[in-house]
Amino acid sequence: GESVGLHLPTLSVQEGDNSIINCAYSNSASDYFIWYKQESGKGPQFIIDIRSNMDKRQGQRVTVLLNKTVKHLSLQIAATQPGDSAVYFCAENNAGNMLTFGGGTRLMVKP
Amino acid sequence: DSGVTQTPKHLITATGQRVTLRCSPRSGDLSVYWYQQSLDQGLQFLIQYYNGEERAKGNILERFSAQQFPDLHSELNLSSLELGDSALYFCASSGIQGVNTEAFFGQGTRLTVV
Repeated sequence: GESVGLHLPTLSVQEGDNSIINCAYSNSASDYFIWYKQESGKGPQFIIDIRSNMDKRQGQRVTVLLNKTVKHLSLQIAATQPGDSAVYFCAENNAGNMLTFGGGTRLMVKP
Repeated sequence: DSGVTQTPKHLITATGQRVTLRCSPRSGDLSVYWYQQSLDQGLQFLIQYYNGEERAKGNILERFSAQQFPDLHSELNLSSLELGDSALYFCASSGIQGVNTEAFFGQGTRLTVV
């Protein structure tokens, strides 16, 4: 994943295409993972979560994949829309304690 | 609306001053988290409280402190402010300690130190 403190990496996609945002997490003991979306000037908003006993979880237009072997998480957004433009953060949690956030990826959707 | 309320929304203050940021968690949530977000950067965990007690500490400076009151609202105190403290400060809340659930975020307080 991205190091906290660096400028955000940017993913630019065409409207209607699928988007894949990746994240590497650090703690092999983490057992719960969340993707958040943050629009400009707003607080992070929950998108989808996954527990460590699962490899894949689907929501509406979004899918999260978890690969525990390589400590990797991805968020797939189907048929990306202009309203999906935002910064996306993954977060890991261990036993309900503090959420540790990745550095974030900025998604830009071109009309 | 996440149900988490932060006040004030904006704060401008001078270096060396002290400010207090306030957070009201979602109804029923016992955990409160504080995060700092500098311009165009990620979310840095500062501190977590659960039912009035400090539970976890992250990258929180000694000039910063927080507390959670019996009514579960929380305050983040920032003192001897420096220009580099300018950032968005987010509060989040969740339900039960030790149970993995998502945290819900407030809209943040934008602090500008001049």
